[in-house]
Amino acid sequence: QKEVEQDPGPLSVPEGAIVSLNCTYSNSAFQYFMWYRQYSRKGPELLMYTYSSGNKEDGRFTAQVDKSSKYISLFIRDSQPSDSATYLCATPFSGGYNKLIFGAGTRLAVHP
Amino acid sequence: EPEVTQTPSHQVTQMGQEVILRCVPISNHLYFYWYRQILGQKVEFLVSFYNNEISEKSEIFDDQFSVERPDGSNFTLKIRSTKLEDSAMYFCASSEGQGAPEQYFGPGTRLTVT
Repeated sequence: QKEVEQDPGPLSVPEGAIVSLNCTYSNSAFQYFMWYRQYSRKGPELLMYTYSSGNKEDGRFTAQVDKSSKYISLFIRDSQPSDSATYLCATPFSGGYNKLIFGAGTRLAVHP
Repeated sequence: EPEVTQTPSHQVTQMGQEVILRCVPISNHLYFYWYRQILGQKVEFLVSFYNNEISEKSEIFDDQFSVERPDGSNFTLKIRSTKLEDSAMYFCASSEGQGAPEQYFGPGTRLTVT
């Protein structure tokens, strides 16, 4: 069983739509959950991270963790063409300072 | 805003040659990492480095790979004898530690082995 699973998409939405990106993970010991955005042939850019369960909001982005179902989500409100990128979920393997385990990434296209 | 920088942005080398990829982590960060991403695949962990020594390495990080922090600012990844399958994007990352788990990535070095 893969440690972090993510549907690779692609996901295509019209400008202004609400986007929902999701990952599942297998190890209940995972505590921190991160979302990165990656433009083509660029480095991953940290969007936000959450600790344990609950929601965290930053502008148009909301990260949500449901530890009971091992499910993490990123919602993008009022999506813009500039949001077109690959979105990666990641979690440190154990504790806060260890290697990040990445999902495969979901490719998002927001069309005008 | 502080950022991780990497040089070169693109390196082309012949199979069997040695390459050194360079990174300057964010200045007050204590933990340093190398990851790689083969085209179309996941970002994969290679090695983590803390307090001047390797803290963890993956199965990919065999004897052909080494890391070094030669001075107070640079962090390097050396591949001694490159293989075709080493062609990938290599990303350096750093984190503050001290209760801050977020890792910040550099723009990457695209390594092409011919």
